[in-house]
Amino acid sequence: EAGVVQSPRYKIIEKKQPVAFWCNPISGHNTLYWYRQNLGQGPELLIRYENEEAVDDSQLPKDRFSAERLKGVDSTLKIQPAELGDSAVYLCASSPYLQGANEQYFGPGTRLTVT
Amino acid sequence: AQSVTQLGSHVSVSEGALVLLRCNYSSSVPPYLFWYVQYPNQGLQLLLKYTTGATLVKGINGFEAEFKKSETSFHLTKPSAHMSDAAEYFCAFFEGGYNKLIFGAGTRLAVHP
Repeated sequence: EAGVVQSPRYKIIEKKQPVAFWCNPISGHNTLYWYRQNLGQGPELLIRYENEEAVDDSQLPKDRFSAERLKGVDSTLKIQPAELGDSAVYLCASSPYLQGANEQYFGPGTRLTVT
Repeated sequence: AQSVTQLGSHVSVSEGALVLLRCNYSSSVPPYLFWYVQYPNQGLQLLLKYTTGATLVKGINGFEAEFKKSETSFHLTKPSAHMSDAAEYFCAFFEGGYNKLIFGAGTRLAVHP
């Protein structure tokens, strides 16, 4: 079974430029998460989808970040415009469960460097 | 506020030695606790989790963790370290009211010959 796929794996952009990350979750997984992992820290949740509905986006900086999960399958996270402080690893995870303390399956992440 | 604290950002052990990675939590409700491992350039992988029941939880790759309510701890151990255990380890707390995981800052484990 294929795992969570993310692309690109690495991205270097100049500040004020836009950037987008793509995630394809494990087939059949209804819940999808986007996390940001700053250097030396644990992942922090940005947004959680149940199917195509964003049910928790309280930590998503909505002035510059946006996300979508059309048809409840793959998802895109966008930053526009990027700032220096956005440099981090962006992780996507999925789960077959909608609720509860269940395992999340993580992709390898996209490492973003903003110069 | 509910949180997890991992003591020691870096731990170094010899191959064959005991591995002990420390995690303490703060919670007003019974916690659900997880340990994840992250190998270089890979995503996080679940090692083990505690929800209810037996307080000693066994996970993959020979790791185990013991939930101690009196000490608000969930330390991760492995009797004998292997070179392949070198990775970053994250303790996480499931915040039920918000249905999300709260991760600690991580502990990087180095294993030397």
